[in-house]
Order: sequence, then C-alpha cells, then structure tokens
Amino acid sequence: DGGITQSPKYLFRKEGQNVTLSCEQNLNHDAMYWYRQDPGQGLRLIYYSQIVNDFQKGDIAEGYSVSREKKESFPLTVTSAQKNPTAFYLCASSRSVSIGETQYFGPGTRLLVL
Amino acid sequence: DQQVKQNSPSLSVQEGRISILNCDYTNSMFDYFLWYKKYPAEGPTFLISISSIKDKNEDGRFTVFLNKSAKHLSLHIVPSQPGDSAVYFCAASENNFNKFYFGSGTKLNVKP
Repeated sequence: DGGITQSPKYLFRKEGQNVTLSCEQNLNHDAMYWYRQDPGQGLRLIYYSQIVNDFQKGDIAEGYSVSREKKESFPLTVTSAQKNPTAFYLCASSRSVSIGETQYFGPGTRLLVL
Repeated sequence: DQQVKQNSPSLSVQEGRISILNCDYTNSMFDYFLWYKKYPAEGPTFLISISSIKDKNEDGRFTVFLNKSAKHLSLHIVPSQPGDSAVYFCAASENNFNKFYFGSGTKLNVKP
C-alpha cells in the first residue's frame, strides 16, 4: 500500500556528528518536504523539493542539508553546525507544490543528542 | 514569530457534544487554510481545507469557519466521538504555493 516511511523512529546523535534521516515515498509524488517540530511550536519548514535534483531552503535550513537524487527519496542530514538538533522531524510529500495539493506525512523521527 | 497560533493546548469534550478548535493568524496574505489531525506515533493526516474566498466548508461532522476580518479560523466537530481524540493542527499558506505555516496544535480528548 502507498505511503511515506521514515526511519529510524528514534535517532541519537553525539556532539559533532552528522546524522541522516531517511524519507521514502511510493506515492509517485513530485514534491517532498522536511519539517521540524519543537515542544509548544508548530511545524517549521526546513527544506522542500519540487522535483528530482531540485530543492529549496525553507524557514530554518541552517545546519541541515538534503538531496533529491531519486523521486522516491528525500534524505535529510543534520550536520554538526545545527546547534540544537533535538526535535521531532516530519517528512511529507504532495503531487506538486501547487496550492491545494494535500501533503501526506510520514510517522516522524525523533532525534536526541547524547 | 509564529504566524499561526493555536492558543489552547488542550480541550476536553463529552461524547456527542460539539468540539470547537480555534486558530488565529497574523498574515493577512494567507489565502488557503487547512486542518490536520494527528494520532500518537503517526504522521498528521489531512482533515479539511478552506479557501479565503469562502467563509465555511463542511465535510460530514467537520466544519471549518473562516473569519478573515478577525484573522480567525475554527474547526467544529459535531457530534464528537471518542475516535476524534487526537492532536489537531491548523495551517495556512499564501500566494498560491503549497508552503504551509502550522500552529502548535490542540490536543482534543473526547470522553465516552
């Protein structure tokens, strides 16, 4: 059945370490998104991609990097430059970035710093 | 500064009664609004949307109301059911683009 998968469910990062969060979709969607959620705050957009080999910064891109080499995959790397990486990360996809296109979300990855 | 705010972190309602979830926004350029529902350990799922050219949109037990002058959005659930217990997020976008600003969510508990 179609959907979005994120792995792992929980991820631990040591100081100074880069970690990569996986996001895969089999919905044949062109657009994909990464959001971050902190306690008491709404989801904030980190990066989005309209199509393969293209991606754009969102509101809080500093300390993060992404790639979009395949339509199905949009991995997010949390680099050591991200000073406060502890958060809940959600990946989403939609058919396009046109308004009204429903965004479908994965179950999320919780990142914790050791 | 958050452009979309949900000032009630939680709401408790008796089964069969009406649930009203509220959302305020500051950006008058927002022209598309929606509500997502999130169960524990799952990603948010789309519930209902409304365009700024309307002031009401209804889908079964769910109705979204938009008051543009007050910059206020509300979701009514009638009648409320225990299965509606979840966290509800409102979101808004502008300029015909699918980039959304989300509120912090309201946790609804419907008591049997």
